[in-house]
Amino acid sequence: SQTIHQWPATLVQPVGSPLSLECTVEGTSNPNLYWYRQAAGRGLQLLFYSVGIGQISSEVPQNLSASRPQDRQFILSSKKLLLSDSGFYLCAWSLTGMSGTYEQYFGPGTRLTVT
Amino acid sequence: SQKIEQNSEALNIQEGKTATLTCNYTNYSPAYLQWYRQDPGRGPVFLLLIRENEKEKRKERLKVTFDTTLKQSLFHITASQPADSATYLCASPPDNYGQNFVFGPGTRLSVLP
Repeated sequence: SQTIHQWPATLVQPVGSPLSLECTVEGTSNPNLYWYRQAAGRGLQLLFYSVGIGQISSEVPQNLSASRPQDRQFILSSKKLLLSDSGFYLCAWSLTGMSGTYEQYFGPGTRLTVT
Repeated sequence: SQKIEQNSEALNIQEGKTATLTCNYTNYSPAYLQWYRQDPGRGPVFLLLIRENEKEKRKERLKVTFDTTLKQSLFHITASQPADSATYLCASPPDNYGQNFVFGPGTRLSVLP
């Protein structure tokens, strides 16, 4: 069966510090991978998605970046965090078939607080 | 741009009643819609997918409808239970076979005993 891992679960970082969040998927090949951010009491905002190694699409201009160095690994980074980067970060995966892209499976999330 | 709206930020119902949540989309015609459940501090969990050529989909106490004329999907939970209390999100690709997703803001459902 497929599983998705995210770490760390919680993170407190000062403004201006770097960020690296990692997500890995097990039990599937060539998944689509996604990074979302959810501000407190708000909906999901898609940040990046990837349909293959080295292929990253950015949805929202910001000081964040994403990379996919391996098929089942997705990394979210920042060189200098802003207060507005605080939120709940979720990684997700899905598969694409003949009828389109199917349901997404989410990781447990990382709660980031920028102080 | 494509937009999904869920008309109620919060909904309170009595245990045993049917909860009905609404998802409306504008400026596009999605090939399918998905519904997810999210508990506090957790990632969303997929519940149901309904395609544009399907009028209705059922799974146990859950029922989803898709009305392309009204540009709307309804999500029903029959015989609701306190354990059904959660935030429910609808989502769709922004165009046919798109590989990214647009999520609605969610409706927080509270089932009162």
